[in-house]
Amino acid sequence: EVQLVESGGGLVKPGGSLRLSCAASGFNFINAWMDWVRQAPGRGLEWVGRIKSKGSGGTTDYAAPLKGRFAISRDDSKNTLYLQINSLQTEDTAVYYCTWSRTIFNRLDPWGQGTLVTVSS
Amino acid sequence: QSALTQPASVSGSPGQSITISCTGTSNDVGGYNYVSWYQQHPGKAPKLMIYDVNNRPSGVSDRFSGSKSGNTASLTISGLQAEDEADYYCSSYTGSTTVVFGGGTKLTV
Repeated sequence: EVQLVESGGGLVKPGGSLRLSCAASGFNFINAWMDWVRQAPGRGLEWVGRIKSKGSGGTTDYAAPLKGRFAISRDDSKNTLYLQINSLQTEDTAVYYCTWSRTIFNRLDPWGQGTLVTVSS
Repeated sequence: QSALTQPASVSGSPGQSITISCTGTSNDVGGYNYVSWYQQHPGKAPKLMIYDVNNRPSGVSDRFSGSKSGNTASLTISGLQAEDEADYYCSSYTGSTTVVFGGGTKLTV
């Protein structure tokens, strides 16, 4: 069974940093393109970014408004995806989901259960 | 990339059919046959229901179907059931790696 489990969320003060993790199992993670998507309370889905497999170059892409403060990385030896968020702002308060991009055409399936990041003083 | 446009809410009675629209541009919905639809129940993660405009993943009920005309994609749910009550989001390939979502539609049954 394909499974994605996020962790690392919590309460952080504005200006702080956080690293989220996503443990993957049940599929060939090393060849997978992986995405992060976030959802602010009561709001819609917002794509954060993607990391390609190392076989596809291992490059990352980010939503334009989020470039600079967000960094996606992966450790294929641990089947784990990461999202580093720096200079956290109150607007970053959201549930962060990791998901597998099964094709280059944005077929996102499945999604993890999400991890809540709350930015507040 | 601007978000795709969806109605804020739709409603229907059990057994009826409803359609949710998703309007984009020729740079996303209209330019490619790669529209996906996601279902999200309160407090839960999104679930893929339709991909590549009209394909269902294994395990998704055939009451769910997708279509596209021009710059507008549609999700139709037939034989509405209480458990279909959820938020629905569309998404489209944009010709690049970036992903664009619709604003979401709340379905009330």
